[in-house]
Amino acid sequence: RKEVEQDPGPFNVPEGATVAFNCTYSNSASQSFFWYRQDCRKEPKLLMSVYSSGNEDGRFTAQLNRASQYISLLIRDSKLSDSATYLCVVEAAGNKLTFGGGTRVLVKP
Amino acid sequence: GAGVSQSPSNKVTEKGKDVELRCDPISGHTALYWYRQRLGQGLEFLIYFQGNSAPDKSGLPSDRFSAERTGESVSTLTIQRTQQEDSAVYLCASSLRLAAVSYEQYFGPGTRLTVT
Repeated sequence: RKEVEQDPGPFNVPEGATVAFNCTYSNSASQSFFWYRQDCRKEPKLLMSVYSSGNEDGRFTAQLNRASQYISLLIRDSKLSDSATYLCVVEAAGNKLTFGGGTRVLVKP
Repeated sequence: GAGVSQSPSNKVTEKGKDVELRCDPISGHTALYWYRQRLGQGLEFLIYFQGNSAPDKSGLPSDRFSAERTGESVSTLTIQRTQQEDSAVYLCASSLRLAAVSYEQYFGPGTRLTVT
């Protein structure tokens, strides 16, 4: 089993719709969690950190479920510019960061 | 301000040759990371530096790969006797780091390595 797993997609989303996807992790000792966004042939950029209580940043909501060992990202009112690959990142003890393979989202008019 | 820079941006090399990739982190960032990303795939962790020490080298794929860092500045990733499977984008990232708290990683534009 991979340390961090994501549905590769693509998730085809009509503009204005809501899309949500999860990321599962295998190491129960994982301490920090993040979502990064990567546009085609570009470097990844931090989208948001994921806190235990869940957090929201505009149209984006991230949640952590430690019991089931997954994090989620929800995008409301999808924009064409939201089309990208969303990378789940998990930090375990020892500061080792593991990236998931990414979930591709395509927002269409 | 200046972000993370990497050079060269593109490198084409013949199988069996050595290559050296360079990363200049953001000034003041103590942590520096190297990743590899093959076409259409996720990021593969290679190595991380805190200052000029590398607490975790477990991601280096083979002994052909090595990395060093001078102080809290530039880092070089060296691949000896390159193989075709080494073809990928090599990404460098830097971040502030205090104890076990993780900060945002800022990525460079990457070096696209093609081994022919």
